[in-house]
Amino acid sequence: DQQVKQNSPSLSVQEGRISILNCDYTNSMFDYFLWYKKYPAEGPTFLISISSIKDKNEDGRFTVFLNKSAKHLSLHIVPSQPGDSAVYFCAAAPNSGYALNFGKGTSLLVTP
Amino acid sequence: DAGVIQSPRHEVTEMGQEVTLRCKPISGHNSLFWYRQTMMRGLELLIYFNNNVPIDDSGMPEDRFSAKMPNASFSTLKIQPSEPRDSAVYFCASSSPGLAGYNEQFFGPGTRLTVL
Repeated sequence: DQQVKQNSPSLSVQEGRISILNCDYTNSMFDYFLWYKKYPAEGPTFLISISSIKDKNEDGRFTVFLNKSAKHLSLHIVPSQPGDSAVYFCAAAPNSGYALNFGKGTSLLVTP
Repeated sequence: DAGVIQSPRHEVTEMGQEVTLRCKPISGHNSLFWYRQTMMRGLELLIYFNNNVPIDDSGMPEDRFSAKMPNASFSTLKIQPSEPRDSAVYFCASSSPGLAGYNEQFFGPGTRLTVL
């Protein structure tokens, strides 16, 4: 049973524009949310995280927004660059020490 | 640090054969995770260890799969006998909560397994 859902398998954005990747979750016990980025033939790498006590976290071009009441989070990339083209995974966990639940990923293509 | 090391990077075997995947976590990390990635199911957790002890193996598909962590620097995932439906990319990850952000897991490059 998929507790973290990324309903858009792919997204195409022009360079310089904003990329918005969405993620929904069903488990109200989740307290921590992370985004991972994955290039082909490599393992996922950590990008940015947010805890449930916040509704926004920003790191350079990347911002994650959390709406707990809607059980929804999103990753904004501004401005998008061709090097951002990768698969992005949303992940969530209920508490420290618990393993992460991953979504199926969204493939982002940033075109010049 | 070299990061999480996995071997082999690619494995092609025939149905019925035993397959052993290996992982060396980042030194100092006390949690180790095995994941499997497929097109149908995405990235799913198979098992994870904390301080070398298996904590949750509910994701292990069936008795053909087993995992061990004999010490803090080594873990294996074994499939015996292997079946074509086991074909996937297997990732190992390690973490030490509190050092670099909550639950940030560092992934290895993965082992691409093909069972013919």
